[in-house]
Amino acid sequence: GENVEQHPSTLSVQEGDSAVIKCTYSDSASNYFPWYKQELGKRPQLIIDIRSNVGEKKDQRIAVTLNKTAKHFSLHITETQPEDSAVYFCASSRGTGRRALTFGSGTRLQVQP
Amino acid sequence: NAGVTQTPKFQVLKTGQSMTLQCAQDMNHNSMYWYRQDPGMGLRLIYYSASEGTTDKGEVPNGYNVSRLNKREFSLRLESAAPSQTSVYFCASNRDQAYEQYFGPGTRLTVT
Repeated sequence: GENVEQHPSTLSVQEGDSAVIKCTYSDSASNYFPWYKQELGKRPQLIIDIRSNVGEKKDQRIAVTLNKTAKHFSLHITETQPEDSAVYFCASSRGTGRRALTFGSGTRLQVQP
Repeated sequence: NAGVTQTPKFQVLKTGQSMTLQCAQDMNHNSMYWYRQDPGMGLRLIYYSASEGTTDKGEVPNGYNVSRLNKREFSLRLESAAPSQTSVYFCASNRDQAYEQYFGPGTRLTVT
């Protein structure tokens, strides 16, 4: 089955700096790659996603890049703010038929004011 | 439109007890999922249902059973709870031809 590895497990940045989280996946048939933000005690919230026919997608301070050849994708957060502090999860799915997500193990992002 | 709802929010069980976690969605989605999240880990798929009356095992199905009662509801049953099943359980759903999954608020289960 699919395996998703996520790095780093923790990341501490100063407010205003950029943060980058990286994931690799194993299933070459995967074609959907979402990123979720989870605050303590809350449900995962989708913040951005990308499909395999696109190499990059941006939404204000958040961007995701995908390299299908190398089977890795990354989340980029610019101009970080204290409210960006949370756990971030990458995930992948085949996107057709059974669309269950395979999640990475998460990155705890701490933005220091 | 409540989205995906789950009951209960919290539950404490003793080893060997049974219980059913309830999930319902009002978005007319065909696909529904049960995931578990252990501390410091990502979510792992327990069971999946592509439509009413169909279910498939996920990555960690042992110790669980599911029922897709109708299009709205997808329940998860622990027949004989074990401490290893202490976790947060999330239900999710998505519509056909769409990728985004909508998550419920979760059920925090502790088995002592």
